[in-house]
Amino acid sequence: DTGVSQDPRHKITKRGQNVTFRCDPISEHNRLYWYRQTLGQGPEFLTYFQNEAQLEKSRLLSDRFSAERPKGSFSTLEIQRTEQGDSAMYLCASSPGTGGTDTQYFGPGTRLTVL
Amino acid sequence: TQLLEQSPQFLSIQEGENLTVYCNSSSVFSSLQWYRQEPGEGPVLLVTVVTGGEVKKLKRLTFQFGDARKDSSLHITAAQPGDTGLYLCAGRLEGTGGFKTIFGAGTRLFVKA
Repeated sequence: DTGVSQDPRHKITKRGQNVTFRCDPISEHNRLYWYRQTLGQGPEFLTYFQNEAQLEKSRLLSDRFSAERPKGSFSTLEIQRTEQGDSAMYLCASSPGTGGTDTQYFGPGTRLTVL
Repeated sequence: TQLLEQSPQFLSIQEGENLTVYCNSSSVFSSLQWYRQEPGEGPVLLVTVVTGGEVKKLKRLTFQFGDARKDSSLHITAAQPGDTGLYLCAGRLEGTGGFKTIFGAGTRLFVKA
């Protein structure tokens, strides 16, 4: 297994457009997380899934954001009507979902630029 | 509000120097991770510490978890230019509502040759 992958790595869009990002977690991992990271900050939690169930959403996740994990494997994060403030690095992570530490492993991220 | 404060925010040193990065909180963590992130990439896991007082070593990097599991430190001996990057700590909190992982803002390290 090659770890968590994300696609695309970079996305440039115009304000008002919709964008969708994909994350493929480590294959045996049950939990999948989405984070947003802006320059000079650590990752901020957006949402996470346990298998296909979305169990928690941050208040940062406005109604323009939606995430799915339909078969408990890959996940998509969609942003509708993008705004310039959405420009950030969007990180996906996965974890086993069992065991004591449940350490998260990150993908390379998708950098979004909204013009 | 649960916060994880990292210090210093920025550190520029010469190759060969030693340094320590700190991660502090008022919250008790069930575990704490240290990650290193390079520009344009996702964080890469360095270590997970679980037990209060635990010390782990990874080559020239030494990680310590505080006895009360509220703080942690990362010490780098004889820093090299390849150590340059953003160092993030992340604490795992478990409560009645489930679990949560919070990240510090990071320490940006620059090691000059």
